[in-house]
Amino acid sequence: QVQLQQSGPGLVRPSQTLSLTCVISGDTVSSNSAAWSWIRQSPSRGLEWLGRTYYGSKWYKDYALSVKGRISIDPDTSKNQFSLQLNSVTPEDTALYYCARAYSAYDSAFDYWGQGTLVTVSS
Amino acid sequence: SYDLTQPPSVSVSPGQTASITCSGDKLGDKFACWYQQKPGQSPVLLIYQDTKRPSGIPERFSGSNSGNTATLTISGTQAIDEADYYCQAWDINTYVFGTGTKVTVL
Repeated sequence: QVQLQQSGPGLVRPSQTLSLTCVISGDTVSSNSAAWSWIRQSPSRGLEWLGRTYYGSKWYKDYALSVKGRISIDPDTSKNQFSLQLNSVTPEDTALYYCARAYSAYDSAFDYWGQGTLVTVSS
Repeated sequence: SYDLTQPPSVSVSPGQTASITCSGDKLGDKFACWYQQKPGQSPVLLIYQDTKRPSGIPERFSGSNSGNTATLTISGTQAIDEADYYCQAWDINTYVFGTGTKVTVL
């Protein structure tokens, strides 16, 4: 059974960096059959995919155009986890953030999700 | 950008059938999947590859996808099916989610 455990601060100041971590159990971040994503949810934007990382002979990263240039998603094989960093945040980045696994056999469907972290951007 | 549009709400009586649509340009050429989200919980995958159910998902949930529309059907709707439902597809290196539909079981 795969489990994703998220951690990180719930309050971030405007212009600062949002940092979250997702620890994986029951699978590995370097699995050849999974991609690891960050997704956020807010009343104004609904569910919004932010980006992913996955391993296929080398590490790959894809980011949504809406946050490209401000985002970094990085794997950590030693701790079996991956992280999200979102720079220069504004109140519009206030949302419930999820990490999730997309399983290749399910063709890009997210079969496991973290518990969610509510991040508020406010001074 | 690619958009997926769902009706904001659907109402259904217990035991009846609820159908939730998801519209997008040539959506039938892509794989669609569906999630259920209850208040305070993370989304749960209901349908992947248009019609397939992960282990543990009841048979009353089914999916189809053709043309510009994917459809999630809940047969014999139960009170526990009251939730928000989201479609999702993959388009040019981007995962796209639908706008979401709130299902009310009256």
